[in-house]
Amino acid sequence: DIVLTQSPDSLAVSLGERATINCKTSQSVLFSSNNQYYLAWYQQKPGQPPNLLIHWASTRESGVPDRFSGSGSGTDFTLTISSLQAEDVAVYYCQQYYRTPPTFGQGTKVEIK
Amino acid sequence: EVQLVESGGNLVQPGGSLRLSCAASGFNFNIYWMSWVRQAPGKGLEWVAKMKEDGSEKYYVDSVKGRFIISRDNAKNSLYLQMNSLRAEDTAVYYCARDGGVVGKFDYWGRGTLVTVSP
Repeated sequence: DIVLTQSPDSLAVSLGERATINCKTSQSVLFSSNNQYYLAWYQQKPGQPPNLLIHWASTRESGVPDRFSGSGSGTDFTLTISSLQAEDVAVYYCQQYYRTPPTFGQGTKVEIK
Repeated sequence: EVQLVESGGNLVQPGGSLRLSCAASGFNFNIYWMSWVRQAPGKGLEWVAKMKEDGSEKYYVDSVKGRFIISRDNAKNSLYLQMNSLRAEDTAVYYCARDGGVVGKFDYWGRGTLVTVSP
């Protein structure tokens, strides 16, 4: 199975500041035929189901604010919240969908400093 | 509007059985893979099982193979998870999720149903 390791486990950021979450995959999730990384990011607010934010490592879902961005290559990926808002308090998960079983990172909790 | 509504969660004793259901609406259920994903209390997300749109392919996480069975009824726009030989470690909120394929992201999720396995 592909293991995803997120860092940090938690972080506290001031309102309006940048939050950066890292996700490292144990093997490549690049599909050579379409040159896409099979890596997604989800946001889970307390008491709610996860919500898909980004797929193909960097493609935002419709309706997701542009302060959320995804980047990365190889086996290292990043979710960036450019200017943290109060409503962004949540746990964020990365997920690979390159190979079954699909696997998730352990999650990163984002709080307001 | 895409909606996924799970039901069937309950308190069950170890070794017992439970059947979860997921009612789908707002999209053409017949053409999508579907998955079950679970989350133990205070823990992260774990994919459990997925099924192709026509039922011809099914996949399971190793820890539930031989105990859980995923199924669907496209005429009823419904997904199911039959859970047998339940263990304490199966305690979790079980989410139904629309799946992008044999390798797919989960673009819509239900609100989940809680399964508690305890004496």
